[in-house]
Amino acid sequence: AQSVTQLDSHVSVSEGTPVLLRCNYSSSYSPSLFWYVQHPNKGLQLLLKYTSAATLVKGINGFEAEFKKSETSFHLTKPSAHMSDAAEYFCVVSDRETSYDKVIFGPGTSLSVIP
Amino acid sequence: AAGVIQSPRHLIKEKRETATLKCYPIPRHDTVYWYQQGPGQDPQFLISFYEKMQSDKGSIPDRFSAQQFSDYHSELNMSSLELGDSALYFCASSSFTGSVTGELFFGEGSRLTVL
Repeated sequence: AQSVTQLDSHVSVSEGTPVLLRCNYSSSYSPSLFWYVQHPNKGLQLLLKYTSAATLVKGINGFEAEFKKSETSFHLTKPSAHMSDAAEYFCVVSDRETSYDKVIFGPGTSLSVIP
Repeated sequence: AAGVIQSPRHLIKEKRETATLKCYPIPRHDTVYWYQQGPGQDPQFLISFYEKMQSDKGSIPDRFSAQQFSDYHSELNMSSLELGDSALYFCASSSFTGSVTGELFFGEGSRLTVL
């Protein structure tokens, strides 16, 4: 069975410092993994995705994530936080079933950026 | 590029009333997902359709029903509304046959308020 764990419900960083949002998953297959960002009262925007190609994935706005199969992790990082990065971040796992993709969201991590 | 269109964006209903939300997927996408996001919660999967057939079912209440039509748009019907149904309802679409990644493309959401 699938599951997604985001180890921190809330992360607070100072502007200009690195960001680390942690995600661990369990899956019976070889999943696709995604990070989505949600700004207040907005929809969900794809940051980046892992689909069994390169294990280090680069996304939009300077974010990247590394897939580590041995650790079942897909942590999201950014070298230098910007005020506009303050948002909710969701780690998502997708397993391909016979006729559909089973998509599970993590509980989310709220990122605050302090000026 | 065309995105997922949801309507209405905002809806206010009284308890025990009925509401219908509509979702228009990205052209040539064959799969539609519905998610419910309560205040401060992560998106909860309700139901999905592939090629107009229900493909997966999540935590959708019996008072809710949904379908996907021949033009691939989908409607979520909610009856006997309760206060707890107040939430942001997201629709997402994907291309199951045209993609191996399971990437979901989200609409902006429909915010339902039940008074």
